[in-house]
This record gives sequence, structure tokens and C-alpha cells, in this order.
Amino acid sequence: GAVVSQHPSRVICKSGTSVKIECRSLDFQATTMFWYRQFPKKSLMLMATSNEGSKATYEQGVEKDKFLINHASLTLSTLTVTSAHPEDSSFYICSAWQLGGGVFEQYFGPGTRLTVT
Amino acid sequence: TQLLEQSPQFLSIQEGENLTVYCNSSSVFSSLQWYRQEPGEGPVLLVTVVTGGEVKKLKRLTFQFGDARKDSSLHITAAQPGDTGLYLCAYLRRETSGSRLTFGEGTQLTVNP
Repeated sequence: GAVVSQHPSRVICKSGTSVKIECRSLDFQATTMFWYRQFPKKSLMLMATSNEGSKATYEQGVEKDKFLINHASLTLSTLTVTSAHPEDSSFYICSAWQLGGGVFEQYFGPGTRLTVT
Repeated sequence: TQLLEQSPQFLSIQEGENLTVYCNSSSVFSSLQWYRQEPGEGPVLLVTVVTGGEVKKLKRLTFQFGDARKDSSLHITAAQPGDTGLYLCAYLRRETSGSRLTFGEGTQLTVNP
């Protein structure tokens, strides 16, 4: 099946610094990718939709200046957490649609664990 | 906004037991999906149910879509430690700007050996 990769898988950064997380679609093109945030033992919360060649669409309550999204190519979307603070510590997961078996399915990356100290 | 409520939120059972988790809403859905997520990984799609009353089986997992297409259940027979994970139901929220996959709150299942 389709594969979505994320890099890094884990990152620890100091408060006030910025961190970039990459999401890549392997062997398929993704005009749209999604970024989710997940707290321990909780469900996934959609943060934003990343659109290739245009601005991302953010969900209500998500700060666009805090979570910068860039989708510069059909296989790569990046999420940059700017001026990170401990409350930004979380598990970040990206996903992309892929046509499989005649229907579109959403494939998820393995996630990135961000810890802000 | 359609809301998916999952129950129970947490479930801890012994290997070999059967269990059922539920996904309920007051809204009608064209389809619902079930995902399983293991610790430190992204969710993996288990099944999509489309037709009211539909029953789908995936080895020891049985998925059912309610007749009114407002709810769904997942039944696991003879649970094994490998079934441990977060089970999520989800629906496709359609908006003018595109479709968004929206998840329920999840059921955290632990199967003890």
C-alpha cells in the first residue's frame, strides 16, 4: 500500500526555538496532505490541510503563525512549530489521500514525537 | 458539526475474552471508518462501512454499521495481546474547501496475556 513517511520520528528542542517536521508521500503524489496533533491517550485532532502550491487551510483555534505549513512539491509537506513552548509538546501525524482499490483512502505517517524543554 | 462518541474510553481485558466497542452519533453518515493505532505509530485503516446494517469481518474482528447509519460497533473475538491499541472510528466531513477525516474520541484497548 501507499506509504507516508515523516522525519524526524523524535525531536527534543529548547523553548523558544523552531522545529521543522517533514511529511513525504512515497511513490505517489499528494496534492493535499493533512496535519494532526495527538495528546497521550487521546484521539487525533486535525490542525490543518496542506495544499500543494497554495496556502494551508487551518482548523478553528489553530494559530497559523505558530504552525507554519509549506507544501512546495507534490510529495513533501512541512510543518514548522515556531517559537516552541512546552505546551507544544505532542505527537504530530501527517496523512495523505491515495487511490487504492478504486477508492481514495487516507494513509498516515508514523508520527513525530516533539518534546519541548 | 457531527460528533462521534466512542465507548468505552478505556478497556482492559484478559487474553481470550471477547469485547465490543461502540461508535455513536445523532447524525447520519454516508460511511464510517475504523482505524487501529499502536503506540508511537500512525493509525491504520481497518475497514470502511457504507451500507446500513452492513456487517464486515476481518479475521477475529466484526464491524457493524447501524441500520440508520448513525452508529457502528467493533466486536473482537478471543482477544490477543497483539490487539492492544487505540481504536478510532472516523467519518469524512465534507466542506466546500474539501473533505476532512474527523475522528471519534477513541477506545484504548489493553489485552493482558
